[in-house]
Amino acid sequence: GNSVTQMEGPVTLSEEAFLTINCTYTATGYPSLFWYVQYPGEGLQLLLKATKADDKGSNKGFEATYRKETTSFHLEKGSVQVSDSAVYFCALREGGSYIPTFGRGTSLIVHP
Amino acid sequence: DAGVIQSPRHEVTEMGQEVTLRCKPISGHNSLFWYRQTMMRGLELLIYFNNNVPIDDSGMPEDRFSAKMPNASFSTLKIQPSEPRDSAVYFCASSLGGGTYEQYFGPGTRLTVT
Repeated sequence: GNSVTQMEGPVTLSEEAFLTINCTYTATGYPSLFWYVQYPGEGLQLLLKATKADDKGSNKGFEATYRKETTSFHLEKGSVQVSDSAVYFCALREGGSYIPTFGRGTSLIVHP
Repeated sequence: DAGVIQSPRHEVTEMGQEVTLRCKPISGHNSLFWYRQTMMRGLELLIYFNNNVPIDDSGMPEDRFSAKMPNASFSTLKIQPSEPRDSAVYFCASSLGGGTYEQYFGPGTRLTVT
């Protein structure tokens, strides 16, 4: 079956630090890959996505590249802000499938 | 668009009572999902509907849980009778399709069963 593995949190950074949250996956086919963000007290919202190998998704300064050879989709941001404090979920969805597979989520805490 | 709408946002009830959670998906979306989120178990898919038909309910914990989608703009998740271990945040999400399409989540209903 499909699975998504994320690094354990919390990740604690100072403002303007570089962020990497690792995500690796196992899938039987050729999935689309997603990063969702959940701010306190809210539902998940899409941050970025990539639908095929070597695609780079980007949004709000965050980036992730779909690496088929390493089955990875690591999330990066060059300079984090306090407002980026949230829980980040990596997810995949196989082509033709309606059911996504989510990772456990990684909490990010950014201090001023 | 208003996004996915859920009600109530908070529900506190006593053990043994019936609880009904409501969801209005985004207009035009053909898939609807119910999730449960707890610290211990993370995000769990309970059931999903495609074109108002339940397709996969293997995540529904037990017979006390039931879900319906009488039309494309409304779904309910019912727990009867409720138990303290049902305390969690319940999310509804909708999607335009499978595969490359992302899900849109509602704000969630925080359920507390005492």
